[in-house]
Amino acid sequence: NAGVTQTPKFQVLKTGQSMTLQCAQDMNHEYMSWYRQDPGMGLRLIHYSVGAGITDQGEVPNGYNVSRSTTEDFPLRLLSAAPSQTSVYFCASRATVAGANVLTFGAGSRLTVL
Amino acid sequence: EDQVTQSPEALRLQEGESSSLNCSYTVSGLRGLFWYRQDPGKGPEFLFTLYSAGEEKEKERLKATLTKKESFLHITAPKPEDSATYLCAVRSLNNDMRFGAGTRLTVKP
Repeated sequence: NAGVTQTPKFQVLKTGQSMTLQCAQDMNHEYMSWYRQDPGMGLRLIHYSVGAGITDQGEVPNGYNVSRSTTEDFPLRLLSAAPSQTSVYFCASRATVAGANVLTFGAGSRLTVL
Repeated sequence: EDQVTQSPEALRLQEGESSSLNCSYTVSGLRGLFWYRQDPGKGPEFLFTLYSAGEEKEKERLKATLTKKESFLHITAPKPEDSATYLCAVRSLNNDMRFGAGTRLTVKP
């Protein structure tokens, strides 16, 4: 049972570089989401998806793009990295059946932008 | 706007010293209050969901309670392995999930 898998675990970028954080889940969950976690702040929602082909913005979407071509994968793209995007990023998924409320998180990807 | 405030930010206990963590919230219609545990370098791990005032849930040394404005996570006779950051989150009627900043718990042997 892999659950939610994120890669890479660590990444250092220079300002202006682009990269993609990968997220895959093997639980057949329709709902997937990306959060960022910064010191002294709660997890903040960046983007989410309720199924293949459907994505929407969360609380802090600027500077990030997502797509959802399959149920399993939900990559997060940084097109032009900025120091303000230095953070720990978490991917999470859950089922969307009635009563299913619990998010399952990946282990996180720590990104540093110089 | 929905808001979640956790206190204290950090808590240091001796092994066996019971205490409580607080989660105060304001939300436009509560669809659930969640407690997660997060160990260093890992993602949050689900502990409990509470849905209505007066509800209680227990797991080993942890007990979560809920009122209309706050939730408590009671830790009875903690052990060093209970050391972690505990996160509280609320889901509102529009399905938005709002997290608190967490309480970092350290239990000394």
